[in-house]
Amino acid sequence: DSGVTQTPKHLITATGQRVTLRCSPRSGDLSVYWYQQSLDQGLQFLIQYYNGEERAKGNILERFSAQQFPDLHSELNLSSLELGDSALYFCASSVGTATNEKLFFGSGTQLSVL
Amino acid sequence: LAKTTQPISMDSYEGQEVNITCSHNNIATNDYITWYQQFPSQGPRFIIQGYKTKVTNEVASLFIPADRKSSTLSLPRVSLSDTAVYYCLVGARTGRRALTFGSGTRLQVQP
Repeated sequence: DSGVTQTPKHLITATGQRVTLRCSPRSGDLSVYWYQQSLDQGLQFLIQYYNGEERAKGNILERFSAQQFPDLHSELNLSSLELGDSALYFCASSVGTATNEKLFFGSGTQLSVL
Repeated sequence: LAKTTQPISMDSYEGQEVNITCSHNNIATNDYITWYQQFPSQGPRFIIQGYKTKVTNEVASLFIPADRKSSTLSLPRVSLSDTAVYYCLVGARTGRRALTFGSGTRLQVQP
């Protein structure tokens, strides 16, 4: 158990809908990262937050947004969903922002857009 | 910015030692090298990290030559449960690049 909690584990929705994925980082970790992994694809970095502030942005679509709350949990909002958004979405956390820090990943949210 | 290159896939048999090499020709002075393991439908898990020479833990060893332009993850006596994708990450000064996982190496261990 990595200590990172993601909910829900599975999500099935229809095209055009909006969903929210939730992540609770490990106790004491201030950084939260979101990744997308499509079938047979590598991990695509979406966005990172540190102590409530956006820290780094990757290949995140404009239809997607995220935030980190004062209690350090984070939410990833996906809107106007398309079939191609079906993927595993992982959240990871680390203590800070140093590039050599270990990332601890949650078990992911499997999103299926039908 | 350090880009990494790894073999796409490797095959091995139980009990053998597996070495996966990662090339990172543009590694910067302050960059660390980190390896993660990912099983299907699970999040990646940290395996080992090093800066130079050799690092060993209970799971693996990491060999880094003096020029640091490559690194080799060594898994001793693999078992079927070591079948997974292995990612090599090299830190970079800009946050976004440091967080980019490549395609990884898919290791298949046969009985």
